[in-house]
Amino acid sequence: DIQMTQSPSSLSASVGDRVTITCRASQSINNYLNWYQQKPGTAPNLLIYAASRLQSGVSSRFSGSGSGTDFTLTISSLQPEDFATYYCQQSHSSPRTFGQGTKLEIK
Amino acid sequence: QVQLQESGPGLVKPSETLSLTCTVSGASISTGYWSWIRQSPGKGLEWIGYIYYSGSTNYNPSLKSRVTISVDTSKNQFSLKLSSVTAADTALYYCARLSFSHGSSALDIWGQGTMVTVSS
Repeated sequence: DIQMTQSPSSLSASVGDRVTITCRASQSINNYLNWYQQKPGTAPNLLIYAASRLQSGVSSRFSGSGSGTDFTLTISSLQPEDFATYYCQQSHSSPRTFGQGTKLEIK
Repeated sequence: QVQLQESGPGLVKPSETLSLTCTVSGASISTGYWSWIRQSPGKGLEWIGYIYYSGSTNYNPSLKSRVTISVDTSKNQFSLKLSSVTAADTALYYCARLSFSHGSSALDIWGQGTMVTVSS
């Protein structure tokens, strides 16, 4: 299985900050990388697919980049509703696997 | 809009079979791929498998010997069966649509999830 490792595991930031979360795959996955946001008590919500493509309806303050093994999710200016847990997921090969999550908390 | 809703028992005894159903509304299940994912504190998010409306399946090898995913196009539903459950199968179970775009796939619509506890 392809292992997905996110860093950091948790992050404290303030409204208005620019934040970057990193995801590393244990082998090359080209650009087959998705990002999800999960708020407490709700299902994950797709933000970014194919490493850099913004899902319809998602704010443009979210962006993704990377290819191969190293990927980043950037939130350009944090809003109160962005405090949540973020997961990366590879869609290169089966089984699809997820990162362990990055919890973004209010400083 | 497309909505998914999980249903099934919230409590299953050890060694028995967990059975869940996902009902799709707002779209025909015959449009593509449908998935099951689970989430537990110990193992995070875990992909269980997916099914194409025609019936072809893809399972996580770690669960393959115990998992069956099936589809009922007449009811616009798909189902999960997980046999010989143990406490390690206690989790929040989600169904989701697997969409393909720009050569990649992603889970773009999720159900709200249903908690299943394995206990005697």
